[in-house]
Amino acid sequence: ETGVTQSPTHLIKTRGQQVTLRCSSQSGHNTVSWYQQALGQGPQFIFQYYREEENGRGNFPPRFSGLQFPNYSSELNVNALELDDSALYLCASSLASRQAEAFFGQGTRLTVV
Amino acid sequence: QQPVQSPQAVILREGEDAVINCSSSKALYSVHWYRQKHGEAPVFLMILLKGGEQKGHDKISASFNEKKQQSSLYLTASQLSYSGTYFCGTIPGNEKLTFGTGTRLTIIP
Repeated sequence: ETGVTQSPTHLIKTRGQQVTLRCSSQSGHNTVSWYQQALGQGPQFIFQYYREEENGRGNFPPRFSGLQFPNYSSELNVNALELDDSALYLCASSLASRQAEAFFGQGTRLTVV
Repeated sequence: QQPVQSPQAVILREGEDAVINCSSSKALYSVHWYRQKHGEAPVFLMILLKGGEQKGHDKISASFNEKKQQSSLYLTASQLSYSGTYFCGTIPGNEKLTFGTGTRLTIIP
C-alpha cells in the first residue's frame, strides 16, 4: 500500500456531464501528477501540481483541469464528458525531484455512457 | 513522444528469463520501471539515473544506456508473481514522467 488514496473507486457518468476525482497524496509528498490509462494502454500524463500550482501539462484539452490544496491533496475535474474519457484515472504523488519515485493510488475507473 | 517497449507481450514458463526493452527518441535524464497487475495501480520497481547504471531488485535488474537512449529490464528465474504489465517511464530534460507502451508478461507454471 502506497498511502495514496483516490475517490471514488468507480464512477458512471453521462456524456456532457462534469466529474471531479480526488486524490490524497502520501504524507510528505508535495507533488501530485494525474494520468489517464485507457484499457490496454500505458498511463498518459495529464498534468502535475506542485505547491498548488500547475507544473506541467500533457496533451489534454482545457476541459481537463485540476487543483492542489495546501495539504497537497488534489482534484481532477473533467467538463463536458465524452465517451473517450472512459478510462482509469491514476494519481501519483512524489517529491519534487526528477529522481523521485512516484507512488500511485488505486485509481478511479470512470465510465462515460 | 511515448517511449517504445519491446516485446509487446511475452509468455514464459516459471524459471525462465526475460528481457524487456525501452527505447526513447529523446535524450533521457532518468528511467523508471513499474509493474502493474491487472486491476491494480502501477508499482515502482527501480530508477536508473546515470548512463550505464545498473540496478537490481531481487532477481529483477535493469540497465540504462544513456547514449542509445535505451533501458532494459532483466527478469531471471521468473516467478509466478512476476506476471503483469511492465512499463518504463522516462523523464527527458525538463519534461515529466512519460510511460512507455507497456510489455505484458505472463508466467505459467
